[in-house]
Amino acid sequence: GESVGLHLPTLSVQEGDNSIINCAYSNSASDYFIWYKQESGKGPQFIIDIRSNMDKRQGQRVTVLLNKTVKHLSLQIAATQPGDSAVYFCAEDRDNYGQNFVFGPGTRLSVLP
Amino acid sequence: DVKVTQSSRYLVKRTGEKVFLECVQDMDHENMFWYRQDPGLGLRLIYFSYDVKMKEKGDIPEGYSVSREKKERFSLILESASTNQTSMYLCASRASSGGVNEQFFGPGTRLTVL
Repeated sequence: GESVGLHLPTLSVQEGDNSIINCAYSNSASDYFIWYKQESGKGPQFIIDIRSNMDKRQGQRVTVLLNKTVKHLSLQIAATQPGDSAVYFCAEDRDNYGQNFVFGPGTRLSVLP
Repeated sequence: DVKVTQSSRYLVKRTGEKVFLECVQDMDHENMFWYRQDPGLGLRLIYFSYDVKMKEKGDIPEGYSVSREKKERFSLILESASTNQTSMYLCASRASSGGVNEQFFGPGTRLTVL
């Protein structure tokens, strides 16, 4: 079935380095994707989104890249800080109506001092 | 500041009990969602509602029901709780208009069924 998955369950990076979190999706017709951040004890929080008519979108210290050819999504965090430690999820809008998202299992990012 | 609240952060129930999880949003959003979150599985959609008294099944509706009597409130009901329903439950809401698909999440309810 259709699914969204992550290549790595955990990622450790040195403070100040850049982080790259990856995600694979299987529905080539999906039009919209979101990255969420979930800190311990909290619900997921929106970071950035991208539509399929774009290859790249930048936010504050974050960039999302979309490669539709290989159905791959990545989240890049520049100059990673201790506050970036969290679990990161990608989510795919299955029906393109914003009602039915499928979430990946998540990647835990740990920032080392 | 947008806000989604859930009635309990932690809940312990016994097998066979009827359990109510309540979610309230103050953003006048049309759409509301219930997910469960389990390690290694991410978030899985149980039910969602796009309007008052309307509901749609998600990926794993078995063993659950929902109620949306008022726009701001979406309840998840476990008719007869079982141990495999021990999980983190997350509620979310989203507006229907404005081209924004972001879902706003509550803090979650960690349910343990003994």
